[in-house]
Amino acid sequence: DTGVSQDPRHKITKRGQNVTFRCDPISEHNRLYWYRQTLGQGPEFLTYFQNEAQLEKSRLLSDRFSAERPKGSFSTLEIQRTEQGDSAMYLCASSLSSGHNEQFFGPGTRLTVL
Amino acid sequence: DQQVKQNSPSLSVQEGRISILNCDYTNSMFDYFLWYKKYPAEGPTFLISISSIKDKNEDGRFTVFLNKSAKHLSLHIVPSQPGDSAVYFCAASVNRGSTLGRLYFGRGTQLTVWP
Repeated sequence: DTGVSQDPRHKITKRGQNVTFRCDPISEHNRLYWYRQTLGQGPEFLTYFQNEAQLEKSRLLSDRFSAERPKGSFSTLEIQRTEQGDSAMYLCASSLSSGHNEQFFGPGTRLTVL
Repeated sequence: DQQVKQNSPSLSVQEGRISILNCDYTNSMFDYFLWYKKYPAEGPTFLISISSIKDKNEDGRFTVFLNKSAKHLSLHIVPSQPGDSAVYFCAASVNRGSTLGRLYFGRGTQLTVWP
């Protein structure tokens, strides 16, 4: 399977705990995006990397959230001191930097904060 | 502020007939538009796209129409099949400048195709 992969697929945690998610993009894609989707909404942009550089962060990304892409390949999204409002589907997508902006999504990580 | 709007949360169509999903946007800077299909417990799957320099793009049973003056696009599926039943998201982007890359999504339309 050469698509975007995410791990874990599901995460249940208690309020106040830290969680980390991983995304492996399509191998030749140098752009990587994180989105969050809550019930009844479309995906909302969180942050975006081109290679290892984090180029844009949404105001949705509070200081409890941090994302990295250290070698320009996989990325991690960490949420510190989780809150119940963080419960959502976290989606990762990747694309090429040339041509048009078709982004290919992974299956997502479903986070439930109790 | 929702810059991409899908005002119909659901659409029900009989198999073999045409499905028309609509999308409106408010940001005149958007120059690239995409449709994604999403099944439960999966990520969105890219379906079809259109650049603002075109008014129509076709791929098999799927056609997207863009009306820039009305800031409106639509996805036509002909003929509709039960396997098309899914949530369809409209998305838009500005492919230039500092915001290059981020997609703005609508809330989605649940399409149900019945036999």
